[in-house]
Amino acid sequence: AQKVTQAQTEISVVEKEDVTLDCVYETRDTTYYLFWYKQPPSGELVFLIRRNSFDEQNEISGRYSWNFQKSTSSFNFTITASQVVDSAVYFCALRRGGSTLGRLYFGRGTQLTVWP
Amino acid sequence: KAGVTQTPRYLIKTRGQQVTLSCSPISGHRSVSWYQQTPGQGLQFLFEYFSETQRNKGNFPGRFSGRQFSNSRSEMNVSTLELGDSALYLCASCEVSVDQETQYFGPGTRLLVL
Repeated sequence: AQKVTQAQTEISVVEKEDVTLDCVYETRDTTYYLFWYKQPPSGELVFLIRRNSFDEQNEISGRYSWNFQKSTSSFNFTITASQVVDSAVYFCALRRGGSTLGRLYFGRGTQLTVWP
Repeated sequence: KAGVTQTPRYLIKTRGQQVTLSCSPISGHRSVSWYQQTPGQGLQFLFEYFSETQRNKGNFPGRFSGRQFSNSRSEMNVSTLELGDSALYLCASCEVSVDQETQYFGPGTRLLVL
């Protein structure tokens, strides 16, 4: 069975602080995909990043960075120098490989609040 | 390209009624998925359509149904509405090809059942 756990339900930081959102996943598949989505109050899920199970290269994109570690089944997401506009619910998701179709398995989300 | 669009954005219904929600995918995307989001259950997968065929289905009762048209647009229908069906319904589209498995979501339809 597939499972995604986001242990942090809420995080509050002050603007310009760095913040890391944790994600732990479970799957027996050897090929899978991991995602981070952001959901602002408007409700739309905004795609941030996708990582394939065979690509453990971590990446930095502007203020965002990701740390994918298969050994610990973790896919953490860091925002550097947070801003008020980063306030949203962040979801980690997993998709099984082996097909170009497939559902996303979501964690329960982490509510990030950035105070000015 | 225009993003995923969903109509209507907001809907109020009463118990026992039925409702139809519509989703237009990103141009060129042939897969459409539906998710229900509630505070209690989080994001739950409803179903996925590709080439007018339902390819995956989540654990929802038969009151929830959907379909996809030849232009990839999709509708989902909920019959005999219950209070617990109040939720944000999100549609996502995906370009089905190698390395194009990312699902892009629409703004959602907020359904309130009274």
